[in-house]
Amino acid sequence: DIQMTQSPSSVSASVGDRVTITCRASQGISSWLAWYQQKPGQAPKLLIYAASRFQSGGPSRFSGSGSGTDFTLTINSLQPEDFATYYCQQANSFPYTFGQGTKLEIK
Amino acid sequence: EVQLVESGGGLVKPGGSLRLSCAASGFTFSSYSMNWVRQAPGKGLEWVSSISSSSRYTYQADSVKGRFTISRDNAKNSLYLQMNSLRAEDTAVYYCTRDQRVIPDHDAYDIWGQGTMVIVSS
Repeated sequence: DIQMTQSPSSVSASVGDRVTITCRASQGISSWLAWYQQKPGQAPKLLIYAASRFQSGGPSRFSGSGSGTDFTLTINSLQPEDFATYYCQQANSFPYTFGQGTKLEIK
Repeated sequence: EVQLVESGGGLVKPGGSLRLSCAASGFTFSSYSMNWVRQAPGKGLEWVSSISSSSRYTYQADSVKGRFTISRDNAKNSLYLQMNSLRAEDTAVYYCTRDQRVIPDHDAYDIWGQGTMVIVSS
């Protein structure tokens, strides 16, 4: 199985900051990576798919990059509603494993 | 409105069985692969099982193989998860999700239900 490792596990930031979250796959997954946002008590929401493609309906301050084994999610100009937990998921091969999550907290 | 609504969760004793259902609406259900993802209390997301649009292909996580069975009824726009031999570690919120149908065999999950809670405890 492909293992997905996110870093950091948690990060504190302020409104207006730029934040980067990293996801590393245990083997190459081409560009088959998705990012999800989850707020407490809610289902996850798809933000980015195929590493860098923006899911319609989401804010444009979210962007993704990477290929192979190393990927990043960048949030520009943090807004209050961005404080949540973020998960990466590989969609290269079954089982479609998730990272352990990164909790973004208000500083 | 595109929507997925799960039901069937509840409290069950170890070794017991439960059948989860997911009712789909607002899209052509029979055209999409579907999935179950779970989340234990305070933990991260875990992919559980997937099924192709025609039911031809199914996949399960090793942690549930031989115990859980995914199925669908396209005539009823419904997805199911039959869970047998339940264990305490199966306690989680179970989400029904839809494949995007943008990149065949590499889709992300663009629609999620609100989840149904399963508690396995004596």
